[in-house]
Amino acid sequence: EDQVTQSPEALRLQEGESSSLNCSYTVSGLRGLFWYRQDPGKGPEFLFTLYSAGEEKEKERLKATLTKKESFLHITAPKPEDSATYLCAVQETGGTSYGKLTFGQGTILTVHP
Amino acid sequence: SAVISQKPSRDICQRGTSLTIQCQVDSQVTMMFWYRQQPGQSLTLIATANQGSEATYESGFVIDKFPISRPNLTFSTLTVSNMSPEDSSIYLCSGDRGGATEAFFGQGTRLTVV
Repeated sequence: EDQVTQSPEALRLQEGESSSLNCSYTVSGLRGLFWYRQDPGKGPEFLFTLYSAGEEKEKERLKATLTKKESFLHITAPKPEDSATYLCAVQETGGTSYGKLTFGQGTILTVHP
Repeated sequence: SAVISQKPSRDICQRGTSLTIQCQVDSQVTMMFWYRQQPGQSLTLIATANQGSEATYESGFVIDKFPISRPNLTFSTLTVSNMSPEDSSIYLCSGDRGGATEAFFGQGTRLTVV
């Protein structure tokens, strides 16, 4: 069974203080690893998809990386508007649940001005 | 990515009643999914809805409790039947065109059962 574990559960940063969020996963065959951002009262907003170990993607202050067992979401010089819950999810290759996402518990990020 | 309009955005319902949640996508999608997000928790998949076939339910979820319709490639409904307070949660739909594309989500329905 697919498992996704995110750490830390909550992270408080000062504006400009860079840090990283971790997503550890166990899956029989990885089709893709996804990062989403979720603001209170809203649905998840897509950030990145990573498909193979060694892959990296960047968007503004965010950079996502992938190894065979985990992914990191690096946040460089964060701003208060980066405050949100960040969700990691994996999608397995093949099987009867094509397209199904298994989510981690999320990391609640708070950036103080 | 496409846009999903989900309604209602929130509702307060009496126990024993049913609520139907609708999701309309602005373009055709291969697959649609229904998730539940309990307070402070992450998303748990309820079922996968494909057009022209019965929905596929995950362990712990049954069709009698959560009947799903998928009449075409842009629309789906989830009904929460015979509700109890334990059904209070956020329900989210998502769409996926398949291939190398990401799933996108509706804004969610916040359900409170009293």
